Amino acid sequence: GAGVSQSPRYKVTKRGQDVALRCDPISGHVSLYWYRQALGQGPEFLTYFNYEAQQDKSGLPNDRFSAERPEGSISTLTIQRTEQRDSAMYRCASSPSVGETQYFGPGTRLLVL
Amino acid sequence: AQSVAQPEDQVNVAEGNPLTVKCTYSVSGNPYLFWYVQYPNRGLQFLLKYITGDNLVKGSYGFEAEFNKSQTSFHLKKPSALVSDSALYFCAVRDPLDNDMRFGAGTRLTVKP
Repeated sequence: GAGVSQSPRYKVTKRGQDVALRCDPISGHVSLYWYRQALGQGPEFLTYFNYEAQQDKSGLPNDRFSAERPEGSISTLTIQRTEQRDSAMYRCASSPSVGETQYFGPGTRLLVL
Repeated sequence: AQSVAQPEDQVNVAEGNPLTVKCTYSVSGNPYLFWYVQYPNRGLQFLLKYITGDNLVKGSYGFEAEFNKSQTSFHLKKPSALVSDSALYFCAVRDPLDNDMRFGAGTRLTVKP
């Protein structure tokens, strides 16, 4: 596609529910990144993939957070047993290969009630 | 680990005047430096980057940034501001040995007519 797309754009859920956030990178981009952006803050790195391999998940806050990219294209960020503190904008970015410029999607705004 | 600081939460300039948005960084090796802009209700857009070479980097929309190794700075500049430049600007740094990218907290630029 023309750019990185993310869905849903908005997600409201109740505390304790699981959510799955989807990222569709720019076609052909090898690397895919997930970030979390709290209100008034810059994006915070969560994890990234090269092809289907998860290279670094050091930014995932705890074991409720996981991500996958099984076919090296679309990625899903899953948050289990959501908590109110998980509320944030979740951003995905992709780049042609490792180290190249990252292009961001519009983000998914998550609100946990 | 790398880090980046944007010392100003808010920058106000008059249209037609030059603008500077400040950024300083900390990284163990030679840094890769980036500027992104976020317009209201839009995703992060890439403006420019410094990898190597000329310290003055030119980017989109007439913006430029100067890499200063001795001052560990990468300030964003534009000779003549436009009202349409009003947005949130993020500086980011990536250590080439580590693919995590760290963002500053952002600086809100307001250009008044």
